[in-house]
Amino acid sequence: SAVISQKPSRDICQRGTSLTIQCQVDSQVTMMFWYRQQPGQSLTLIATANQGSEATYESGFVIDKFPISRPNLTFSTLTVSNMSPEDSSIYLCSVLDRVYEQYFGPGTRLTVT
Amino acid sequence: GQNIDQPTEMTATEGAIVQINCTYQTSGFNGLFWYQQHAGEAPTFLSYNVLDGLEEKGRFSSFLSRSKGYSYLLLKELQMKDSASYLCAVRWGYHSGGYQKVTFGTGTKLQVIP
Repeated sequence: SAVISQKPSRDICQRGTSLTIQCQVDSQVTMMFWYRQQPGQSLTLIATANQGSEATYESGFVIDKFPISRPNLTFSTLTVSNMSPEDSSIYLCSVLDRVYEQYFGPGTRLTVT
Repeated sequence: GQNIDQPTEMTATEGAIVQINCTYQTSGFNGLFWYQQHAGEAPTFLSYNVLDGLEEKGRFSSFLSRSKGYSYLLLKELQMKDSASYLCAVRWGYHSGGYQKVTFGTGTKLQVIP
């Protein structure tokens, strides 16, 4: 199984600012994803982080708002830009390993005031 | 698009058996996951079904019927710690070009009572 860490674990930010969330995996993985989970809701896929190329975004999510980097097979960042209170959520990094089991990082709890 | 349906909430008694159903409509289906998520925590992997049939893993079993677009998670000998949300998720996409995604249902909140 893959072990995933995320930083920061939580943050409180002012509207209009940006926050970058880091995701580190203990092994090389091909498929890495970023999800959002709003209070009491299920997980919504934001984008697939592609190594060495632009991320693939889901409907309703755009690169200007959620820029993603993936410089190698073990690391990715998600930035939440120009934040508003509606961006308050838990942001989760996830990977699919070689046997297609999916694992999640512990999440980053973001509160925007 | 992908459509995944689960009951919103269920209640069951400690020591009993509960079945949580999931129906889906998707193109390019590759497999179905079940996850457990306790409040305030990240989801944890329970099972992954690719072929039709029942897969048993301790107290938890998962069933898949691809022709019916149907799965269930069976929890036996329920314990209080099994109170959590259970998420059904479908892996779909196309192998050419490596296009793969996982889409989640809304989750079923299970409450186990004494």
